[in-house]
Amino acid sequence: DGGITQSPKYLFRKEGQNVTLSCEQNLNHDAMYWYRQDPGQGLRLIYYSQIVNDFQKGDIAEGYSVSREKKESFPLTVTSAQKNPTAFYLCASSRGRTPYNEQFFGPGTRLTVL
Amino acid sequence: DAKTTQPPSMDCAEGRAANLPCNHSTISGNEYVYWYRQIHSQGPQYIIHGLKNNETNEMASLIITEDRKSSTLILPHATLRDTAVYYCIVRVGEWPGAQKLVFGQGTRLTINP
Repeated sequence: DGGITQSPKYLFRKEGQNVTLSCEQNLNHDAMYWYRQDPGQGLRLIYYSQIVNDFQKGDIAEGYSVSREKKESFPLTVTSAQKNPTAFYLCASSRGRTPYNEQFFGPGTRLTVL
Repeated sequence: DAKTTQPPSMDCAEGRAANLPCNHSTISGNEYVYWYRQIHSQGPQYIIHGLKNNETNEMASLIITEDRKSSTLILPHATLRDTAVYYCIVRVGEWPGAQKLVFGQGTRLTINP
């Protein structure tokens, strides 16, 4: 089955620790995205990447870092500099080479910082 | 960024058509309207998108007004599984540059038996 996988589904970390969230896609999509969702709110864009070895900051990139070494993978690191890291994190991908930005989303990772 | 306005919540009876409105009065000529939905604690699911003309697929229909300042998503025969938050989104960004979807707070649609 083609799709996007995120792991783990739930993640608990102590305050001050860095944590990396995994996102893998086998859709052969060029573009990948990370969003954050807080309770009762819409999604906000953290980082996006249109091609391998290239990525750009979204609206709320402070305290986060990403890499795009492979087309299939776009891991997100939540660093200790992120003031309020507890949230639902969603990864998405799209073909990226057409003007139709239909994004396919993964199931999400719920991060709780204790 | 073009903004969208949606009612915070709506109810619909099972088997009836659910009509979800969206205002996007600041939309520009080359911006598409997208609809996604999110079932609790899952990733959003793409439903449909359009530019000027009405669109239909296996999930829904999208009606865009002639002035493009508003649209309506129609779920023709709503089922309990259609209970979700529905987001109306205007795509932002010029191709081939960065494109992003700006999610508002959406409409919480509840389908009642």
